[in-house]
Amino acid sequence: SQQGEEDPQALSIQEGENATMNCSYKTSINNLQWYRQNSGRGLVHLILIRSNEREKHSGRLRVTLDTSKKSSSLLITASRAADTASYFCATDARGNNRLAFGKGNQVVVIP
Amino acid sequence: DGGITQSPKYLFRKEGQNVTLSCEQNLNHDAMYWYRQDPGQGLRLIYYSQIVNDFQKGDIAEGYSVSREKKESFPLTVTSAQKNPTAFYLCASSIGDRPNEKLFFGSGTQLSVL
Repeated sequence: SQQGEEDPQALSIQEGENATMNCSYKTSINNLQWYRQNSGRGLVHLILIRSNEREKHSGRLRVTLDTSKKSSSLLITASRAADTASYFCATDARGNNRLAFGKGNQVVVIP
Repeated sequence: DGGITQSPKYLFRKEGQNVTLSCEQNLNHDAMYWYRQDPGQGLRLIYYSQIVNDFQKGDIAEGYSVSREKKESFPLTVTSAQKNPTAFYLCASSIGDRPNEKLFFGSGTQLSVL
């Protein structure tokens, strides 16, 4: 079953601006991951944050995790046109042996 | 280059017909997965396999079948029992001892009904 829910669903920003999207989930997790999907393509793994971590960075990406609120945020700094894609969160729930994907956030970066 | 290859890119199914989607990986991963993606939706798990000759149903297995005779291959058959097969199908794999930590995806197969 899916439990990740991203918010907002669609975001349109100018190149150079920051993009922030959120994900909420319902049960305890082992880790939370973010993936990117370009139109008509497969997903690409971006970053993983474990339940005992609060923040993680990878290049222009910053992910936070608040297990008390059961939520995560993905920040893309200094966005580029190439960042235009859909972004999905996926949770590895404890006691479950599969990832649950959210419905995705569509981000459009205008050059 | 290591990766996952899905074929064909586009597939059309006639009513009552079974069709098979191919997924091959050369990453030496133990675990493989099939997901279905409908427009504007997240991914839903159809079947997964953590080892050769073994596989488990996911959340929406009805109307689908799989086999895992080789580590590299995990074909998905969409049977005539699947009444609404039009969707984008994604195959993925992951390292066996950490199956839920990082999935590698193929480029997908778009299945449509004629």
